[in-house]
Amino acid sequence: QVHLVQSGAEVKKPGASVKVSCEASGYTFTSFGITWVRQAPGQGLEWMGWISGHNGDTTYAQKFQDRVTMTTDTSTRTMNMELRSLRSDDTAVYYCARCSGGDCYGRYLQHWGQGTPVTGSS
Amino acid sequence: AIQLTQSPPSLSASVGDRVTISCRASQGVSSALAWYQQKPGKAPKLLIYEASSLESGVPPRFSGSGSGTDFTLTISSLQPEDFATYYCQQFTNYPFTFGPGTRVDV
Repeated sequence: QVHLVQSGAEVKKPGASVKVSCEASGYTFTSFGITWVRQAPGQGLEWMGWISGHNGDTTYAQKFQDRVTMTTDTSTRTMNMELRSLRSDDTAVYYCARCSGGDCYGRYLQHWGQGTPVTGSS
Repeated sequence: AIQLTQSPPSLSASVGDRVTISCRASQGVSSALAWYQQKPGKAPKLLIYEASSLESGVPPRFSGSGSGTDFTLTISSLQPEDFATYYCQQFTNYPFTFGPGTRVDV
């Protein structure tokens, strides 16, 4: 059974960085990519980008291109998403989601983590 | 970026009702569209992929149709556990945008 377990809630000051992790189990880690999606309080879903589980290739939404880094650690079966220069409007729940294939181009999101709340507060 | 518009933004329905939600794309996405259900405080759950394919384990009262720019999610007989927000998402062009959601409540 596929499980994605994310790291715990974070509170960060504006300008800081946050790193959210997503530990995967129940499937061949290198065979599926991971997408990151966020959801601001009371708002809809926002696609941030994806990382290949096979080779670590990434594609980021242009909106986040300069501030986000997604990485993979095959030894610990963990995907990470770091967002830098946090602003108050980065306050959101951040989700990892496993794509339906090795890369995430043209792939739907089949399994989701539980979400990690990130709060920007001075 | 491709814009997705959902209608209605919200609807009130009763158990047993047939519910239809529309998703319209600003440009064609072929069949590269999925539908998700989200309940308060929970992660989204995949219902339909490739516009009309039912995800394993999802009840058959859910169905999807459409291609190109116009898509529909139908719940044939609404059940108590179906009260939630529903999102469509396209997978053709980056960024892989989501619709704004349709809230289904009593």
